[in-house]
Amino acid sequence: DIQMTQSPSSVSASVGDRVTITCRASQGISSWLAWYQQKPGKAPKLLIYAASSLQSGVPSRFSGSGSGTDFTLTISSLQPEDFATYYCQQANSFPLFGPGTKVDIK
Amino acid sequence: QVTLRESGPALVKPTQTLTLTCTFSGFSLSTSGMCVSWIRQPPGKALEWLARIDWDDDKYYSTSLKTRLTISKDTSKNQVVLTMTNMDPVDTATYYCARIPYGDYGYYFDYWGQGTLVTVSS
Repeated sequence: DIQMTQSPSSVSASVGDRVTITCRASQGISSWLAWYQQKPGKAPKLLIYAASSLQSGVPSRFSGSGSGTDFTLTISSLQPEDFATYYCQQANSFPLFGPGTKVDIK
Repeated sequence: QVTLRESGPALVKPTQTLTLTCTFSGFSLSTSGMCVSWIRQPPGKALEWLARIDWDDDKYYSTSLKTRLTISKDTSKNQVVLTMTNMDPVDTATYYCARIPYGDYGYYFDYWGQGTLVTVSS
């Protein structure tokens, strides 16, 4: 079975910081990876699909990269509304989410 | 405008069967490529995919839970139903339904319901 890991598990950052989150699959998944943002008490929100495609309506400060086993979500300039937990998800026929990365205020 | 809404009991007893309904609008589950999944999230924990039903009525289940899950759809009512048998306190979670617009980019979830918290307790 494919396993998904994320690092770091949490990161403290300030408004304006550049934040990078890494997701790794235990075997190659091509570009079949998505990223979600989840705020407390809310449903996840799709940010990125196909590893690097920005979902409609998502600010351009979010970007994704990678293929195969290693993927990255980057927030170029952290905004107050970006403090949340971020999940990667391998998007094959049996989807699997990573354990999440919490971005909180430094 | 795509919306999904989960409904079902907030509290179930151990060993009971849970039945959840996802009622959606803004798309048709008879459209080629459309799928609906169920995903759950225990309090303070990560997301876990449970099941998926496709436009052509193909069904897929989490390997670890497949013996307990059944997913079905009523296209005329725009509903997807999930049943989970033999509920246990570890199944306490918020249960979400979500849409998948399957295409060249795989199975990702572009619209989600608000979720429904199910507590398993005697």
